[in-house]
Amino acid sequence: DAKTTQPNSMESNEEEPVHLPCNHSTISGTDYIHWYRQLPSQGPEYVIHGLTSNVNNRMASLAIAEDRKSSTLILHRATLRDAAVYYCILRVFNSGGSNYKLTFGKGTLLTVNP
Amino acid sequence: NAGVMQNPRHLVRRRGQEARLRCSPMKGHSHVYWYRQLPEEGLKFMVYLQKENIIDESGMPKERFSAEFPKEGPSILRIQQVVRGDSAAYFCASSPRSSGGTDTQYFGPGTRLTVL
Repeated sequence: DAKTTQPNSMESNEEEPVHLPCNHSTISGTDYIHWYRQLPSQGPEYVIHGLTSNVNNRMASLAIAEDRKSSTLILHRATLRDAAVYYCILRVFNSGGSNYKLTFGKGTLLTVNP
Repeated sequence: NAGVMQNPRHLVRRRGQEARLRCSPMKGHSHVYWYRQLPEEGLKFMVYLQKENIIDESGMPKERFSAEFPKEGPSILRIQQVVRGDSAAYFCASSPRSSGGTDTQYFGPGTRLTVL
């Protein structure tokens, strides 16, 4: 799988937007960009995914650069419950391959201050 | 609709004992994945199973570890003769299918294994 690079940690204040960056300069045309997060003492939780266009759902927005070498997860109004480790993961679209393996890096630890 | 269930949530074993970790996938999901998370590290893929079949066990240690997903009942991850290095959080995930790059995996709360 192509590699992703994320900052080790970020800090935000409650009620403010948070932009979590991810670099994936070696991304290929068939790689989807997925984001998961892991709250303390819990299993990972799916957040959002996209291929080329920006995506929105009830949890977050995903902004993908035009060249797809980077993306940004946007939490529009951070709450204390958003404090977690956020993982940016690339997944190859290949029904015959081993794309089911999610490769988790170290992620970004988001701290939300009250 | 219940999510992925894992039990026990916490398991303590002495060196040399066996550990059995259970995972019940979400209703309607027939694909199960096991991951291990060592302290201060990210999750690492261990094994992928469908009902009665092991599809990919490339992430499993060669010895002492085994997994199954029987026709009836939960998926089981079994660790024989545990050692201190097996202490970790073990997460199970499930999905309705594995093809394509967009299938979401839904994770359970994990089993935290401590080997004394």
